Amino acid sequence: QKEVEQNSGPLSVPEGAIASLNCTYSDRGSQSFFWYRQYSGKSPELIMFIYSNGDKEDGRFTAQLNKASQYVSLLIRDSQPSDSATYLCAVNGSGGYQKVTFGTGTKLQVIP
Amino acid sequence: GAGVSQSPSNKVTEKGKDVELRCDPISGHTALYWYRQSLGQGLEFLIYFQGNSAPDKSGLPSDRFSAERTGGSVSTLTIQRTQQEDSAVYLCASSLVPGPYEQYFGPGTRLTVT
Repeated sequence: QKEVEQNSGPLSVPEGAIASLNCTYSDRGSQSFFWYRQYSGKSPELIMFIYSNGDKEDGRFTAQLNKASQYVSLLIRDSQPSDSATYLCAVNGSGGYQKVTFGTGTKLQVIP
Repeated sequence: GAGVSQSPSNKVTEKGKDVELRCDPISGHTALYWYRQSLGQGLEFLIYFQGNSAPDKSGLPSDRFSAERTGGSVSTLTIQRTQQEDSAVYLCASSLVPGPYEQYFGPGTRLTVT
């Protein structure tokens, strides 16, 4: 079992719809959870992080964390073609160690 | 402020040659990471530095790969006797410590071994 799992996609949504990206992780002691966006040919850029159960909102983005079920999700409201990218989920391991494990990413396509 | 910088942006080398890739982290970031990303693949962790602690080298794929970090700032990743399978984008990231350890990435070095 991979430490951080994501559906590779592509996930296609129409412009203006809500895109829902999911990620599961295996280390129950994981403490911090990150979402990165990576455009083709570019390096990953941080969108947001979350470390408490529940929702965290930032503009059109909402991260949701459920530690009991060991999943974290990213919702993108009012999806725009410019949101088309690969979204990487990353998880910080237990014990306060700074090593972060990345999932392989979900490719999102927003159709105009 | 300045972000993470990497050089060179592109490197083409012949099989068997040695290469050095450089990373300059964000000022004040004590944690530094190297990753490798092959075309269409995810991020592969290579090595992690934190302050003066011994680096975590658990991701280095072979003894041809080594890295150092001088003065707690700039880092150099060295690949000796390059092979074609080393062709990839090499990404460097840095983060503040203590956590939550969000990482900020440099633009990467695209390495092509011919």
